[in-house]
Amino acid sequence: DTGVSQDPRHKITKRGQNVTFRCDPISEHNRLYWYRQTLGQGPEFLTYFQNEAQLEKSRLLSDRFSAERPKGSFSTLEIQRTEQGDSAMYLCASSSRTGKFYEQYFGPGTRLTVT
Amino acid sequence: AQSVTQLDSQVPVFEEAPVELRCNYSSSVSVYLFWYVQYPNQGLQLLLKYLSGSTLVKGINGFEAEFNKSQTSFHLRKPSVHISDTAEYFCAVSYRDDKIIFGKGTRLHILP
Repeated sequence: DTGVSQDPRHKITKRGQNVTFRCDPISEHNRLYWYRQTLGQGPEFLTYFQNEAQLEKSRLLSDRFSAERPKGSFSTLEIQRTEQGDSAMYLCASSSRTGKFYEQYFGPGTRLTVT
Repeated sequence: AQSVTQLDSQVPVFEEAPVELRCNYSSSVSVYLFWYVQYPNQGLQLLLKYLSGSTLVKGINGFEAEFNKSQTSFHLRKPSVHISDTAEYFCAVSYRDDKIIFGKGTRLHILP
């Protein structure tokens, strides 16, 4: 299967700890996106990359959050000093241009629980 | 700014009955419109999309949606639902071909 993969699928951490998630996009997709989905809500955009360049960051992405995409391949999302409000599903998507449109393909997500 | 409103948080429907999930959007410019489905403990899957052209869009699993510019709506329909359609459905918009803005979702309950 060559879809978007995310690791880990589940993470339980204590408040104040740092966590890092990884996303591996579909091969040759040059765009990579991060979204956050809290219980009962739709996904909310966090940030996206085109190749290794981070082109946009949401106001939701506080200073405790940092995302990287070295060499334009996989991406990591780090949360420092986690808070209970960070508990959510973190979704990654990747895309490349097909015709006039970038269709995003989503991974299964990483569910974070902060205790 | 763009926004999406899904008018029903939950929709119960009997198996083999028709269903309509309602979605309204707000945007001052042209947008792309989508419906995604999320099965339990899985990621998002694209059901269908409207980019331009015909206002009636057909998607996977027998779903279709109609774009209505005057009413700024993009309702999702299926003539006969199956138990396997139990999932959460998200309406979404995209402007400038980058980030996607999602509605809060509609949970579809199929009753036997």
